[in-house]
Amino acid sequence: GAGVSQSPSNKVTEKGKDVELRCDPISGHTALYWYRQSLGQGLEFLIYFQGNSAPDKSGLPSDRFSAERTGGSVSTLTIQRTQQEDSAVYLCASSLGGRGHGYTFGSGTRLTVV
Amino acid sequence: DQQVKQNSPSLSVQEGRISILNCDYTNSMFDYFLWYKKYPAEGPTFLISISSIKDKNEDGRFTVFLNKSAKHLSLHIVPSQPGDSAVYFCAASLKYNDMRFGAGTRLTVKP
Repeated sequence: GAGVSQSPSNKVTEKGKDVELRCDPISGHTALYWYRQSLGQGLEFLIYFQGNSAPDKSGLPSDRFSAERTGGSVSTLTIQRTQQEDSAVYLCASSLGGRGHGYTFGSGTRLTVV
Repeated sequence: DQQVKQNSPSLSVQEGRISILNCDYTNSMFDYFLWYKKYPAEGPTFLISISSIKDKNEDGRFTVFLNKSAKHLSLHIVPSQPGDSAVYFCAASLKYNDMRFGAGTRLTVKP
């Protein structure tokens, strides 16, 4: 597609359940990032994929969070045993990898843990 | 640890006037800075960037100024238009995967 697509756009889940968030990056973009934005906060880096290299997972807040990127394209962010503090907007971005291009973000998934 | 700070959560200006959005950072190792714009229910979109070797970058109505000694950057929008109403995030980067964002400033341009 023309942009970065994320699904679902909204997700309400019960505390303790697992959730999967999906990101379809722009075709040809080798770099893919996950960020999250909690209420009143900036965008918090979670994880970064670049081509076939090992992902940079340094931003994942706990071992309940994991992500994979299949075939260098679609990425899934999984949160296990969700907690209320996981409630946030989860944003995916892709880029060609050059800093001058900046990132192209998806519209995000709003996750609410009740 | 907020390394990038936008101390004004909101800003309101009249159409046609200048909008100035400010951003401060604490890490002197940041060497690349960006501004993103976000409309409701959409992801942020890249607006303008500046490398630390410059102190000004201009793109149409948008100009970013960088003051390295003060660890401060600003975005100027001249003239402001109602369509500029959005949340503006500044970001600073050490490397591709380490972009740190501020909390955002909501700009409202009144007709």
